[in-house]
Amino acid sequence: DTGVSQNPRHKITKRGQNVTFRCDPISEHNRLYWYRQTLGQGPEFLTYFQNEAQLEKSRLLSDRFSAERPKGSFSTLEIQRTEQGDSAMYLCASSFDYEQYFGPGTRLTVT
Amino acid sequence: AQTVTQSQPEMSVQEAETVTLSCTYDTSESDYYLFWYKQPPSRQMILVIRQEAYKQQNATENRFSVNFQKAAKSFSLKISDSQLGDAAMYFCAFLGGSEKLVFGKGTKLTVNP
Repeated sequence: DTGVSQNPRHKITKRGQNVTFRCDPISEHNRLYWYRQTLGQGPEFLTYFQNEAQLEKSRLLSDRFSAERPKGSFSTLEIQRTEQGDSAMYLCASSFDYEQYFGPGTRLTVT
Repeated sequence: AQTVTQSQPEMSVQEAETVTLSCTYDTSESDYYLFWYKQPPSRQMILVIRQEAYKQQNATENRFSVNFQKAAKSFSLKISDSQLGDAAMYFCAFLGGSEKLVFGKGTKLTVNP
């Protein structure tokens, strides 16, 4: 198993542009999570899926953020009209039971 | 809401020595899990050790062990025989019935040769 993968690893965008990140979980994992980590902080929960169903969304996830997991496999996180405050590391994790395994993250820089 | 507190922003240890990282948490739940994750610089988060709250026995994984005090809501990580490769940010995390991990702010561990 190759673990959780995320693409791209780095993304630089201009304020106001839309960006989309992809996460491929470990193949037998039915749960998939998105977290955001800013410098000097621990990750903060954004949303999670069980199979294709999005079961919880954090209040951190404004209307500009949307996540999908169309066939219960990979997931995408889209940020519309990016703002400088969106600059962060976006982490994806997957699990089969209670242990969550993380991907390498996508570092977003909004200029 | 659950909270996780790591009161040591930075710690240092000499190579081959032992270091203990502190973590306290607050919850009203009785069934939960606690974790320590390691995040090396510019590298991904790695699960180091896990503890189920219903288990009284402290978890151990090679050189890593925990001291879990449920009544005190304390969950410290002990690293024995520290190695240069142990240098990283260490995050304590709580998982209750909500399925989402709640993390502390982390402790930066430096290992001196």
